[in-house]
Amino acid sequence: GAGVSQSPSNKVTEKGKDVELRCDPISGHTALYWYRQSLGQGLEFLIYFQGNSAPDKSGLPSDRFSAERTGGSVSTLTIQRTQQEDSAVYLCASSLDSGRARTGELFFGEGSRLTVL
Amino acid sequence: TQLLEQSPQFLSIQEGENLTVYCNSSSVFSSLQWYRQEPGEGPVLLVTVVTGGEVKKLKRLTFQFGDARKDSSLHITAAQPGDTGLYLCAGARTGGFKTIFGAGTRLFVKA
Repeated sequence: GAGVSQSPSNKVTEKGKDVELRCDPISGHTALYWYRQSLGQGLEFLIYFQGNSAPDKSGLPSDRFSAERTGGSVSTLTIQRTQQEDSAVYLCASSLDSGRARTGELFFGEGSRLTVL
Repeated sequence: TQLLEQSPQFLSIQEGENLTVYCNSSSVFSSLQWYRQEPGEGPVLLVTVVTGGEVKKLKRLTFQFGDARKDSSLHITAAQPGDTGLYLCAGARTGGFKTIFGAGTRLFVKA
């Protein structure tokens, strides 16, 4: 499809396990974001990739969270040693935003719902 | 502390009523955006405002960007049940690049 694709759509895991969430952005979009959304809440910024620049990791809540973006396209968000408070919907978005044109529309995937038991 | 404060957090109204949602900050933003999110889906862009004092209309929705570019409002005229959803304001601060979001206003329009 032409939109942002995220997988898995749902993930149930046990406390202490590692999880990987994948985001396939819209082709040609240089900017990629990960956000976390707890039930009924707004979007919490996690990490931002822009082209070949160093990512802005200022939103990652702990060192258990990491993300990479390979070849400027697909991104993987990894959560190590999951905790119950990590349960949320993880949303990925991509944008044509060059970093200077700050009015770029964010296109979101449908999210990955993570439940940590 | 939210950089973008939205109010009210929750709004339940009857079909046909008017409403206004606010997005405020102490910081200056180069642009502000409004998104609408329905359950199980990602947010979808409604509008982007760039110029201080700018007013944009989208059918029954009117968006305003404050003169100082620190706040914005969304006004809905004659709300419909189809307007039900989570309304999120978002923006990039002047000098910054990443887009941050407010906590959202959950709107429920009863038929």
